[in-house]
Amino acid sequence: NAGVTQTPKFRVLKTGQSMTLLCAQDMNHEYMYWYRQDPGMGLRLIHYSVGEGTTAKGEVPDGYNVSRLKKQNFLLGLESAAPSQTSVYFCASSYAGGVAGNTIYFGEGSWLTVV
Amino acid sequence: GQQVMQIPQYQHVQEGEDFTTYCNSSTTLSNIQWYKQRPGGHPVFLIQLVKSGEVKKQKRLTFQFGEAKKNSSLHITATQTTDVGTYFCAGPGSARQLTFGSGTQLTVLP
Repeated sequence: NAGVTQTPKFRVLKTGQSMTLLCAQDMNHEYMYWYRQDPGMGLRLIHYSVGEGTTAKGEVPDGYNVSRLKKQNFLLGLESAAPSQTSVYFCASSYAGGVAGNTIYFGEGSWLTVV
Repeated sequence: GQQVMQIPQYQHVQEGEDFTTYCNSSTTLSNIQWYKQRPGGHPVFLIQLVKSGEVKKQKRLTFQFGEAKKNSSLHITATQTTDVGTYFCAGPGSARQLTFGSGTQLTVLP
């Protein structure tokens, strides 16, 4: 049981380049999330999805786009990377949302550096 | 919107000493969760508290949920080097999704 799988694990981008982070979960979870983690800032929600074909903005959505074409996959795109987007990105999933008290399962993270 | 504040940001303890991290919310929470992230790793769920005044224990870890359901704490008795990591609390936020505290980074000195 792989859980939540993220690719790539490490990536260096030049300013202005675009890229997509891929996330896959095999737990049949409805909810999926993308967080970024910066020193001293905790985990901040970028975008999330409550089911196949849906997406919603989180706390820090600017500069990112997402798509959930299949229930098991959640893609995070950076159209024009900026140095401020240097961060560790975590994909996560859960059976239902936070209000219901559902556990969130995290992927191992993707380290992105924008130079 | 909903904010979850966590203190302290950093804590260094000698192995064998106790450790406590505190979490405070600006609003009443329906539940609160705690996660641990080892250095270089990803957050892993530890426990969820739901009831007012609830206390749960996991070996040397004791979790409490305040009577008003606006604060919580994690206490580790007699820390070990395996306890090293960052501890996060998380509660339902304004978007009905979990809002994470900024975390407490624990260093245990041997």
